[in-house]
Amino acid sequence: DGGITQSPKYLFRKEGQNVTLSCEQNLNHDAMYWYRQDPGQGLRLIYYSQIVNDFQKGDIAEGYSVSREKKESFPLTVTSAQKNPTAFYLCASRDLSRTGPNTGELFFGEGSRLTVL
Amino acid sequence: AQTVTQSQPEMSVQEAETVTLSCTYDTSESNYYLFWYKQPPSRQMILVIRQEAYKQQNATENRFSVNFQKAAKSFSLKISDSQLGDTAMYFCAFMKLGYGNKLVFGAGTILRVKS
Repeated sequence: DGGITQSPKYLFRKEGQNVTLSCEQNLNHDAMYWYRQDPGQGLRLIYYSQIVNDFQKGDIAEGYSVSREKKESFPLTVTSAQKNPTAFYLCASRDLSRTGPNTGELFFGEGSRLTVL
Repeated sequence: AQTVTQSQPEMSVQEAETVTLSCTYDTSESNYYLFWYKQPPSRQMILVIRQEAYKQQNATENRFSVNFQKAAKSFSLKISDSQLGDTAMYFCAFMKLGYGNKLVFGAGTILRVKS
């Protein structure tokens, strides 16, 4: 079945460590996104990519990095510079060629919960 | 920049009754899309309903319908005949038209359906 796979589901990190969250999609979607979810703040965009080897900062990119070497993969690295990394992270993708009534729909992974010890 | 506001952090409704979730947004764009996404306790986000701003007719999907007031920049979600499976966090989202534009989400409303 087509979809988005995020791993790991749960991750614990010690302060000062970098960690990488994986996001893989087999939907052949052009665009991929990383959102951070905190209680009471909804989803905030970290980074997004519309094409391989290109990506843009979202609203809260500081302390994070991404790469888009393959269309199906968009890993997110949470660096030690991120001051408050404990959160739920959601990866999503979108088919940019869709028009009309199917425009804009995001497909989400099941999320990764990162806890800093 | 666009902003999306959901003024109701939590709501509850009895099973089989109707509930309305509010959403307002701020934009200077004239062409855009609005969405309601549902996030159940499993945390898997799914699209509930979508509205194109150029369409005057309100979107409906089975028990879910919207009241889209473009001039007032309001986009409320009505859930009829509420079911226990409707218990979830609901997010309103905005996207302006154009290649690669990203979605902007509201803070969400927790809906609890009671038996």
